[in-house]
Amino acid sequence: DTAVSQTPKYLVTQMGNDKSIKCEQNLGHDTMYWYKQDSKKFLKIMFSYNNKELIINETVPNRFSPKSPDKAHLNLHINSLELGDSAVYFCASSQVQGATSGANVLTFGAGSRLTVL
Amino acid sequence: AQSVTQLDSHVSVSEGTPVLLRCNYSSSYSPSLFWYVQHPNKGLQLLLKYTSAATLVKGINGFEAEFKKSETSFHLTKPSAHMSDAAEYFCVVSDQRSGNTGKLIFGQGTTLQVKP
Repeated sequence: DTAVSQTPKYLVTQMGNDKSIKCEQNLGHDTMYWYKQDSKKFLKIMFSYNNKELIINETVPNRFSPKSPDKAHLNLHINSLELGDSAVYFCASSQVQGATSGANVLTFGAGSRLTVL
Repeated sequence: AQSVTQLDSHVSVSEGTPVLLRCNYSSSYSPSLFWYVQHPNKGLQLLLKYTSAATLVKGINGFEAEFKKSETSFHLTKPSAHMSDAAEYFCVVSDQRSGNTGKLIFGQGTTLQVKP
């Protein structure tokens, strides 16, 4: 199936640990993103990469480090986890950066629910 | 700066009755607007999008939305609700200037409840 897939779907861990969430898309898209959804369901962009190059880096603690080994993958590594990092993290992808054919439509993964105890 | 406001945090309708989810936006440029739906424990699915073409936009599952520049609104409607429509709905704006960066601005979400 063509899709954006994230692993793991659920992640429960202790404060202070380091964890990673992986994302892969087989849609042939050039741009990938990480969004964070908090407990009130508010969604906000964290990062975007275009063809392995960082494009958007919102005000996110530097404990969060995205890594894009190739344009089909964008992983999120989080160091020294804190209680406030508990959230659902969504990966997404879209067509070519800078396309003029219209709005940039994002395809989202199913989300990874991170719980920090 | 662009922003989007969903006027209702929770909407409850009976099955078979019309659905109206309200959204107002603010944008300095010609906006691109979207509605996404999120079913429980699922990812976000695009319902429809407006990109300066026809002001009445038809989406999936019988939903449609009308772009009204004079009212800065982009309300989502459906003539007849189905039980499977129960979900969280997000109105989203992206300025054309930044429309190709994927920096979408999400509304706070509206929970749609459908009663039998």
